[in-house]
Amino acid sequence: GNSVTQMEGPVTLSEEAFLTINCTYTATGYPSLFWYVQYPGEGLQLLLKATKADDKGSNKGFEATYRKETTSFHLEKGSVQVSDSAVYFCALNTNAGKSTFGDGTTLTVKP
Amino acid sequence: EPEVTQTPSHQVTQMGQEVILRCVPISNHLYFYWYRQILGQKVEFLVSFYNNEISEKSEIFDDQFSVERPDGSNFTLKIRSTKLEDSAMYFCASSEARDTGELFFGEGSRLTVL
Repeated sequence: GNSVTQMEGPVTLSEEAFLTINCTYTATGYPSLFWYVQYPGEGLQLLLKATKADDKGSNKGFEATYRKETTSFHLEKGSVQVSDSAVYFCALNTNAGKSTFGDGTTLTVKP
Repeated sequence: EPEVTQTPSHQVTQMGQEVILRCVPISNHLYFYWYRQILGQKVEFLVSFYNNEISEKSEIFDDQFSVERPDGSNFTLKIRSTKLEDSAMYFCASSEARDTGELFFGEGSRLTVL
């Protein structure tokens, strides 16, 4: 079956630090990959996506590259802000209608 | 910007009671989903719905759960006899197409079962 493994949290960084949240997956077929973000007290929002190998998704300074050879989709940002504090979920979809989520990684950015 | 809306935002109920959670998906979307997130845990798939029928469901979605699209806009999740372990945040989502995989989530309905 499909599964997503995320870097365990919580992650605490100072403002302007570099962020990496690791995500690896196992899937049958050719999945689309996603990062969702959940701000405190809110629902999940799509942050970025990539639908095929070597695609790079980007949004709000965040990036992730679909690496088929390493089955990874690591999330990166060069300089985090306090407002980036949230829970980040890696997810995949294999054309089967449902998405499979990782456990989530809590990021706290301190001023 | 179109959005998925859910009501209620928070419901407290006694064990054994029936609960209905309501969702209004984005109007031109065709695929609808319910997920749940027990506090501090992962987001879990419950059910997907297309063309007025369930297209897939997880092992969590047992006989006490049901979904319905009673009219052209609402999509509901009913829990017939709630248990303590049903306490969670329930998220409705919709998507325009099945194979894009991009889900648009509502803000969730927090269910607390006492």
